Amino acid sequence: RKEVEQDPGPFNVPEGATVAFNCTYSNSASQSFFWYRQDCRKEPKLLMSVYSSGNEDGRFTAQLNRASQYISLLIRDSKLSDSATYLCVVNVGNGGSQGNLIFGKGTKLSVKP
Amino acid sequence: NAGVTQTPKFRVLKTGQSMTLLCAQDMNHEYMYWYRQDPGMGLRLIHYSVGEGTTAKGEVPDGYNVSRLKKQNFLLGLESAAPSQTSVYFCASSYGLAVQETQYFGPGTRLLVL
Repeated sequence: RKEVEQDPGPFNVPEGATVAFNCTYSNSASQSFFWYRQDCRKEPKLLMSVYSSGNEDGRFTAQLNRASQYISLLIRDSKLSDSATYLCVVNVGNGGSQGNLIFGKGTKLSVKP
Repeated sequence: NAGVTQTPKFRVLKTGQSMTLLCAQDMNHEYMYWYRQDPGMGLRLIHYSVGEGTTAKGEVPDGYNVSRLKKQNFLLGLESAAPSQTSVYFCASSYGLAVQETQYFGPGTRLLVL
């Protein structure tokens, strides 16, 4: 069962590039959506929430399309420090044994000088 | 605030040995979680707790036990370690299960079972 699907990458991009990640989810009752960032050998950390109207935080823009069950993350003007794995996360409410947060397997980004 | 802390950071076990992983949080969160993360598998929920004295099974509970005797601590036990339990274990906590609720993760424990 693949509830949250992401392209694993890796995405190898030069500094300054714009890169976009996509994520699809299968549970139409999903209630909220997030992007987490995970650095190599570190814990996941919340990057940003994703709202229906789309939202922006500096160089990062997140979009949600509920009809297509699709979430995206756009990173503009990539920095070396953006190199990490980006996890798409969906809150399915009462997820039972899976818990309320379902994590995608992540998309790896490598920004090169 | 230290946030979420985990002890130990790294451990090597032999098959059949037991151990306990300790998670502590100082954010007064009600909910705590144990995940394991394996290459190509993503994060999988092992057990979780919705409050002091309560625990519930997650997606992959077999071979693990947990206890939440104090609100701030959540312990994960391996009674008889197996090589299949080689993984990185993350503890997380949250205030509750509200739809905008997010989870805060500890730094992880790397476990190698030989």
